Amino acid sequence: DAKTTQPTSMDCAEGRAANLPCNHSTISGNEYVYWYRQIHSQGPQYIIHGLKNNETNEMASLIITEDRKSSTLILPHATLRDTAVYYCIVRPTDNYGQNFVFGPGTRLSVLP
Amino acid sequence: DTGVSQNPRHKITKRGQNVTFRCDPISEHNRLYWYRQTLGQGPEFLTYFQNEAQLEKSRLLSDRFSAERPKGSFSTLEIQRTEQGDSAMYLCASGRRAAGHEKLFFGSGTQLSVL
Repeated sequence: DAKTTQPTSMDCAEGRAANLPCNHSTISGNEYVYWYRQIHSQGPQYIIHGLKNNETNEMASLIITEDRKSSTLILPHATLRDTAVYYCIVRPTDNYGQNFVFGPGTRLSVLP
Repeated sequence: DTGVSQNPRHKITKRGQNVTFRCDPISEHNRLYWYRQTLGQGPEFLTYFQNEAQLEKSRLLSDRFSAERPKGSFSTLEIQRTEQGDSAMYLCASGRRAAGHEKLFFGSGTQLSVL
């Protein structure tokens, strides 16, 4: 079972910031938070990951609370092409196989 | 990265037939994963290879399913005696490890329809 909970769906206006929350209250100290997204008819795509500190890359920013029990993925200027299902996953460091557990994710709709 | 390639993109078969899917991972990745995804759900883990060794299998992988990765390069997933419940998207991913974490790169999947 997924160790995260996310809202089922969210809407965002084009050009505005999209803030996608994720709850991972049982996260362990050696677990990373990963975000992937899946655009219709494609495989999931890696977005960003983090352990304790906030992270930013060319796609998004990841804000992790100090207690690490929740995080927020921020798409700073959402476009129509950001419409997708977004998955938040927690996974131990240096561990493989089944530990990439995908839940149902959040379906983000970016509206014109 | 040149990307993970999966073939075919779509497969329609009759119940009881055997099907085989192929995955070509990113060449320098030594880990390869198979997932299955049904409508409205996230991908579910099936099995994982490190090089040619199959290291882990989900209980979802019944004895009708077999996966191979000869020579640690491409992989095949075979389903024997297909059932309608096997209809799903089958996704392959290859993994690159860096600094204690691993990124997965997914292919576009093979959509299986069992009639």
